[in-house]
Amino acid sequence: AQSVAQPEDQVNVAEGNPLTVKCTYSVSGNPYLFWYVQYPNRGLQFLLKYITGDNLVKGSYGFEAEFNKSQTSFHLKKPSALVSDSALYFCAVRDNAGNMLTFGGGTRLMVKP
Amino acid sequence: NAGVTQTPKFRILKIGQSMTLQCAQDMNHNYMYWYRQDPGMGLKLIYYSVGAGITDKGEVPNGYNVSRSTTEDFPLRLELAAPSQTSVYFCASSLRTGSTNEQFFGPGTRLTVL
Repeated sequence: AQSVAQPEDQVNVAEGNPLTVKCTYSVSGNPYLFWYVQYPNRGLQFLLKYITGDNLVKGSYGFEAEFNKSQTSFHLKKPSALVSDSALYFCAVRDNAGNMLTFGGGTRLMVKP
Repeated sequence: NAGVTQTPKFRILKIGQSMTLQCAQDMNHNYMYWYRQDPGMGLKLIYYSVGAGITDKGEVPNGYNVSRSTTEDFPLRLELAAPSQTSVYFCASSLRTGSTNEQFFGPGTRLTVL
C-alpha cells in the first residue's frame, strides 16, 4: 500500500526567508508526486507535480520541489516566503498503475511579517 | 468554465437522515472523486469513478453510495447519517489519463451530523 508522511504539523518562517515543507513517500513502482495548497474554507489547489525527468520541479507562485529517489522524498521549497503563502500544504502520491491518490496529513505553513 | 461545483455548501443532519451531496464538472473530465477531510487530517478517498457508469470504492466507502450516470455529475449519497460522518466533503476531477494528471477540487461541503 502506498503512503505519504509529512513529519511537521506546522512550519513557521519569517517573511523573506527560505521555506521547506517536508514530504516522504512509500510506493511500489515509479511514483507520481503532487503538492497541493489549501487556503481557509477553500478546496485544494494544485501547485506542482513530479512525473519523470528533472528532479527539480517548478510550480505555481514561485514554489519548487526536489524529488530524491534514494531518500524517497519530495520536499517543497521556496527561496523567499510571503505572508500570503500561509496555508495548509498537502503532499500526495500515486503509483503508475493505480487510480488512487494518497494524501499526507498536511503541514500548516505560517509566514510571519 | 465553472470548474468543479458542489452543493450545498453547508448542511446539518440529524442521526439517521439521508442526503445527497451534489458534484458537477464542466471540464469534460472522465475521472471524478469524493474525499472527506476530518479536522487536522489529510484527505481520505471515499469513492471514485473512471467514467460514466463505472465507480469503485476508495479507502473509506462504508456508509456512502455513488452513481455516475453522466460525465458531468457524480453525486454522493449518505443513507443513514451518523456522527462519524461529520466532515468536510470534497469532490474532484481529472483528465482522462488519471495517473499523471492533477486533480481539480470543488469548494467543499461542510456536513454536521447531530
